[in-house]
Amino acid sequence: DAGVIQSPRHEVTEMGQEVTLRCKPISGHDYLFWYRQTMMRGLELLIYFNNNVPIDDSGMPEDRFSAKMPNASFSTLKIQPSEPRDSAVYFCASSLGLAGDTQYFGPGTRLTVL
Amino acid sequence: SQQGEEDPQALSIQEGENATMNCSYKTSINNLQWYRQNSGRGLVHLILIRSNEREKHSGRLRVTLDTSKKSSSLLITASRAADTASYFCARDSGNTPLVFGKGTRLSVIA
Repeated sequence: DAGVIQSPRHEVTEMGQEVTLRCKPISGHDYLFWYRQTMMRGLELLIYFNNNVPIDDSGMPEDRFSAKMPNASFSTLKIQPSEPRDSAVYFCASSLGLAGDTQYFGPGTRLTVL
Repeated sequence: SQQGEEDPQALSIQEGENATMNCSYKTSINNLQWYRQNSGRGLVHLILIRSNEREKHSGRLRVTLDTSKKSSSLLITASRAADTASYFCARDSGNTPLVFGKGTRLSVIA
């Protein structure tokens, strides 16, 4: 398996634009997680899915953020409209189970909002 | 905060020395994991220790868990320059997602 795949790897956009981040989890994994990492706040869990269903989105910072998982092999995280404070590295991770299971991380998307 | 807290925030050692990183947490746990992150990369799982275990080994890694003190430590023996990375502890409390700490930045100087 190629591991968790994320695209794009880098995104530079202007304030107010829509940003869409994409993730392909490892085949067979039932859980998918979206994280945001910044120097100030560390690694924050934004939302996670179980079998394509969003379970907990309490970490999503604002209504400007939304995430979908239309099928078992694809998920998106959308920011609309983007703001400079959204600049961060966004990671997608997947795992077989929730507790006691290894999470496999993608390489991340570095987002810069000007 | 529900996050685990790593200590120290940063650590610089010479190649060949041992590196010890600590993690403390506030609530009860079922499992605790350690992850490594190289610069510009995603996190990679290193080792998992369950709440009924006290110590685990994997190659040059040794992890201990003291549930009475709500703390864990990660020891890397005979460090190498390639061990330079950030190290994170992450815990779960049963049917909950992992909660990650802010990490320890380890620099191993050749």
